[in-house]
Amino acid sequence: DTEVTQTPKHLVMGMTNKKSLKCEQHMGHRAMYWYKQKAKKPPELMFVYSYEKLSINESVPSRFSPECPNSSLLNLHLHALQPEDSALYLCASRGQGVQAYGYTFGSGTRLTVV
Amino acid sequence: QKEVEQDPGPLSVPEGAIVSLNCTYSNSAFQYFMWYRQYSRKGPELLMYTYSSGNKEDGRFTAQVDKSSKYISLFIRDSQPSDSATYLCASYNTDKLIFGTGTRLQVFP
Repeated sequence: DTEVTQTPKHLVMGMTNKKSLKCEQHMGHRAMYWYKQKAKKPPELMFVYSYEKLSINESVPSRFSPECPNSSLLNLHLHALQPEDSALYLCASRGQGVQAYGYTFGSGTRLTVV
Repeated sequence: QKEVEQDPGPLSVPEGAIVSLNCTYSNSAFQYFMWYRQYSRKGPELLMYTYSSGNKEDGRFTAQVDKSSKYISLFIRDSQPSDSATYLCASYNTDKLIFGTGTRLQVFP
Protein backbone atom coordinates (compact mmCIF):
# COMPACT_ATOMS: atom_id res chain seq x y z
CA ASP A 1 0.00 0.00 0.00
CA THR A 2 1.70 3.21 -1.19
CA GLU A 3 -1.16 5.60 -0.62
CA VAL A 4 -2.23 8.34 1.70
CA THR A 5 -6.01 8.24 2.07
CA GLN A 6 -7.96 11.32 3.08
CA THR A 7 -11.61 11.52 4.08
CA PRO A 8 -13.95 13.12 3.37
CA LYS A 9 -13.13 14.27 -0.16
CA HIS A 10 -15.49 17.24 0.13
CA LEU A 11 -16.83 19.04 3.20
CA VAL A 12 -19.17 22.00 3.57
CA MET A 13 -19.47 23.41 7.06
CA GLY A 14 -20.97 26.41 8.76
CA MET A 15 -18.91 28.80 10.83
CA THR A 16 -20.31 27.38 14.09
CA ASN A 17 -19.80 23.72 13.18
CA LYS A 18 -17.20 21.28 14.47
CA LYS A 19 -15.83 18.78 11.98
CA SER A 20 -12.76 16.59 11.53
CA LEU A 21 -10.58 15.64 8.58
CA LYS A 22 -8.96 12.23 8.58
CA CYS A 23 -5.74 10.98 7.00
CA GLU A 24 -4.44 7.41 6.96
CA GLN A 25 -1.28 5.75 5.63
CA HIS A 26 0.02 2.20 5.97
CA MET A 27 3.52 2.68 4.57
CA GLY A 28 5.15 2.75 8.00
CA HIS A 29 6.02 6.42 7.58
CA ARG A 30 6.69 8.14 10.89
CA ALA A 31 6.43 11.75 9.68
CA MET A 32 3.03 13.13 8.74
CA TYR A 33 2.01 16.58 7.61
CA TRP A 34 -0.99 18.84 7.09
CA TYR A 35 -0.85 21.37 4.26
CA LYS A 36 -3.38 23.98 3.15
CA GLN A 37 -3.68 24.92 -0.51
CA LYS A 38 -5.67 27.86 -1.86
CA ALA A 39 -6.63 28.04 -5.54
CA LYS A 40 -3.67 28.61 -7.88
CA LYS A 41 -1.25 28.70 -4.96
CA PRO A 42 1.29 26.14 -3.75
CA PRO A 43 0.62 24.05 -0.64
CA GLU A 44 1.49 25.79 2.63
CA LEU A 45 2.69 23.82 5.62
CA MET A 46 0.45 23.85 8.70
CA PHE A 47 1.66 21.06 11.02
CA VAL A 48 4.32 18.37 11.21
CA TYR A 49 4.10 15.23 13.32
CA SER A 50 7.19 13.15 13.87
CA TYR A 51 6.81 9.82 15.68
CA GLU A 52 3.29 10.85 16.71
CA LYS A 53 4.51 14.04 18.37
CA LEU A 54 3.79 17.53 17.09
CA SER A 55 7.14 18.95 15.99
CA ILE A 56 6.18 21.98 13.90
CA ASN A 57 3.18 24.30 14.11
CA GLU A 58 3.43 27.06 11.53
CA SER A 59 1.56 29.59 13.70
CA VAL A 60 -1.77 28.13 12.67
CA PRO A 61 -4.89 29.61 14.37
CA SER A 62 -6.24 27.53 17.25
CA ARG A 63 -9.49 26.86 15.37
CA PHE A 64 -7.37 24.16 13.65
CA SER A 65 -6.39 21.40 16.06
CA PRO A 66 -4.27 18.47 14.85
CA GLU A 67 -4.14 15.05 16.44
CA CYS A 68 -2.03 11.96 15.77
CA PRO A 69 -3.66 9.02 17.60
CA ASN A 70 -1.20 6.44 16.19
CA SER A 71 1.52 6.07 13.60
CA SER A 72 -0.96 5.49 10.75
CA LEU A 73 -3.57 8.11 11.47
CA LEU A 74 -3.65 11.89 11.45
CA ASN A 75 -6.69 14.03 12.19
CA LEU A 76 -7.39 17.73 11.81
CA HIS A 77 -10.20 19.01 14.03
CA LEU A 78 -11.99 22.12 12.83
CA HIS A 79 -14.04 24.52 14.92
CA ALA A 80 -15.41 28.03 14.35
CA LEU A 81 -13.79 28.38 10.94
CA GLN A 82 -14.02 31.46 8.76
CA PRO A 83 -14.95 31.59 5.05
CA GLU A 84 -11.31 32.41 4.24
CA ASP A 85 -10.38 28.98 5.60
CA SER A 86 -12.03 27.43 2.53
CA ALA A 87 -9.25 25.53 0.73
CA LEU A 88 -7.90 22.13 -0.22
CA TYR A 89 -6.41 20.46 2.86
CA LEU A 90 -3.67 18.00 2.02
CA CYS A 91 -2.13 15.33 4.18
CA ALA A 92 1.33 13.95 3.40
CA SER A 93 3.71 11.40 4.86
CA ARG A 94 7.43 10.81 4.54
CA GLY A 95 9.51 7.71 5.15
CA GLN A 96 13.09 7.25 6.34
CA GLY A 97 16.28 6.52 4.45
CA VAL A 98 17.46 7.52 0.98
CA GLN A 99 13.94 7.97 -0.38
CA ALA A 100 12.87 9.96 2.65
CA TYR A 101 12.54 13.25 0.89
CA GLY A 102 9.84 12.13 -1.47
CA TYR A 103 6.71 13.10 0.39
CA THR A 104 3.54 11.16 -0.52
CA PHE A 105 0.42 13.30 -0.64
CA GLY A 106 -3.21 12.34 -0.37
CA SER A 107 -5.83 13.69 -2.78
CA GLY A 108 -7.01 16.19 -0.23
CA THR A 109 -10.24 17.34 1.37
CA ARG A 110 -11.89 20.27 -0.37
CA LEU A 111 -13.35 22.36 2.44
CA THR A 112 -15.95 25.08 1.98
CA VAL A 113 -16.90 27.24 4.96
CA VAL A 114 -20.24 29.00 4.61
CA GLN B 1 12.48 37.01 -1.30
CA LYS B 2 10.76 33.63 -1.44
CA GLU B 3 13.04 30.65 -0.84
CA VAL B 4 11.89 28.94 -4.04
CA GLU B 5 10.81 30.99 -7.07
CA GLN B 6 9.01 29.65 -10.11
CA ASP B 7 7.43 31.25 -13.18
CA PRO B 8 3.67 30.60 -12.83
CA GLY B 9 3.07 30.45 -16.59
CA PRO B 10 0.75 29.36 -18.04
CA LEU B 11 2.85 27.54 -20.60
CA SER B 12 1.07 26.23 -23.69
CA VAL B 13 2.87 23.87 -26.09
CA PRO B 14 1.90 21.51 -28.94
CA GLU B 15 1.99 17.76 -28.45
CA GLY B 16 5.47 16.35 -29.02
CA ALA B 17 7.30 19.52 -27.92
CA ILE B 18 10.15 19.58 -25.42
CA VAL B 19 9.09 21.44 -22.30
CA SER B 20 11.49 23.22 -19.97
CA LEU B 21 10.30 24.18 -16.49
CA ASN B 22 12.58 26.17 -14.22
CA CYS B 23 12.97 27.31 -10.64
CA THR B 24 15.51 29.24 -8.64
CA TYR B 25 16.18 29.02 -4.93
CA SER B 26 17.93 31.23 -2.44
CA ASN B 27 18.96 28.97 0.46
CA SER B 28 22.44 27.50 -0.05
CA ALA B 29 21.66 24.84 2.55
CA PHE B 30 19.10 23.17 0.27
CA GLN B 31 20.37 19.80 -0.95
CA TYR B 32 17.25 17.85 -1.92
CA PHE B 33 15.15 18.99 -4.83
CA MET B 34 11.86 17.64 -6.04
CA TRP B 35 9.37 18.06 -8.83
CA TYR B 36 5.71 17.39 -8.20
CA ARG B 37 2.88 17.20 -10.73
CA GLN B 38 -0.58 18.24 -9.63
CA TYR B 39 -3.68 17.63 -11.68
CA SER B 40 -6.73 19.77 -11.05
CA ARG B 41 -8.47 18.90 -7.76
CA LYS B 42 -5.85 16.28 -6.86
CA GLY B 43 -2.93 16.15 -4.45
CA PRO B 44 0.66 16.67 -5.69
CA GLU B 45 2.36 13.55 -7.07
CA LEU B 46 6.14 13.15 -6.81
CA LEU B 47 7.73 12.99 -10.28
CA MET B 48 11.45 13.28 -9.63
CA TYR B 49 13.80 13.95 -6.79
CA THR B 50 17.51 14.74 -6.91
CA TYR B 51 20.22 15.20 -4.36
CA SER B 52 22.75 18.01 -4.79
CA SER B 53 23.89 18.93 -8.31
CA GLY B 54 23.52 16.82 -11.41
CA ASN B 55 20.99 15.22 -13.71
CA LYS B 56 18.46 12.48 -13.20
CA GLU B 57 16.44 10.87 -15.96
CA ASP B 58 13.22 8.86 -15.76
CA GLY B 59 11.56 8.04 -19.05
CA ARG B 60 10.54 11.28 -20.74
CA PHE B 61 11.49 13.36 -17.70
CA THR B 62 14.90 14.79 -16.83
CA ALA B 63 15.61 16.80 -13.69
CA GLN B 64 18.69 19.03 -13.43
CA VAL B 65 20.13 20.87 -10.48
CA ASP B 66 22.90 23.45 -10.73
CA LYS B 67 23.85 24.40 -7.18
CA SER B 68 26.41 26.98 -8.34
CA SER B 69 23.62 29.07 -9.87
CA LYS B 70 20.85 27.79 -7.56
CA TYR B 71 18.83 26.69 -10.60
CA ILE B 72 16.47 23.71 -10.86
CA SER B 73 15.04 22.46 -14.16
CA LEU B 74 12.63 19.80 -15.36
CA PHE B 75 12.60 18.77 -19.01
CA ILE B 76 9.74 16.84 -20.55
CA ARG B 77 10.43 15.21 -23.92
CA ASP B 78 7.70 14.26 -26.40
CA SER B 79 5.08 16.05 -24.31
CA GLN B 80 1.58 14.57 -24.27
CA PRO B 81 -1.84 16.10 -23.55
CA SER B 82 -1.87 13.96 -20.40
CA ASP B 83 1.12 16.01 -19.16
CA SER B 84 -1.21 19.02 -18.83
CA ALA B 85 -1.03 19.87 -15.13
CA THR B 86 0.62 22.22 -12.66
CA TYR B 87 4.28 21.42 -11.99
CA LEU B 88 5.69 22.37 -8.60
CA CYS B 89 9.37 22.46 -7.76
CA ALA B 90 10.24 21.99 -4.11
CA SER B 91 13.12 21.74 -1.73
CA TYR B 92 13.46 20.36 1.72
CA ASN B 93 14.73 22.22 4.77
CA THR B 94 14.55 21.00 8.39
CA ASP B 95 11.46 18.86 7.88
CA LYS B 96 9.69 21.49 5.80
CA LEU B 97 8.93 20.95 2.14
CA ILE B 98 9.05 24.39 0.51
CA PHE B 99 7.27 24.75 -2.81
CA GLY B 100 7.64 27.14 -5.70
CA THR B 101 4.44 28.78 -6.90
CA GLY B 102 3.90 26.13 -9.61
CA THR B 103 3.83 26.40 -13.41
CA ARG B 104 0.63 25.55 -15.26
CA LEU B 105 1.38 23.52 -18.40
CA GLN B 106 -1.10 22.94 -21.21
CA VAL B 107 -0.16 20.48 -23.99
CA PHE B 108 -2.56 20.73 -26.92
CA PRO B 109 -3.05 17.99 -29.55
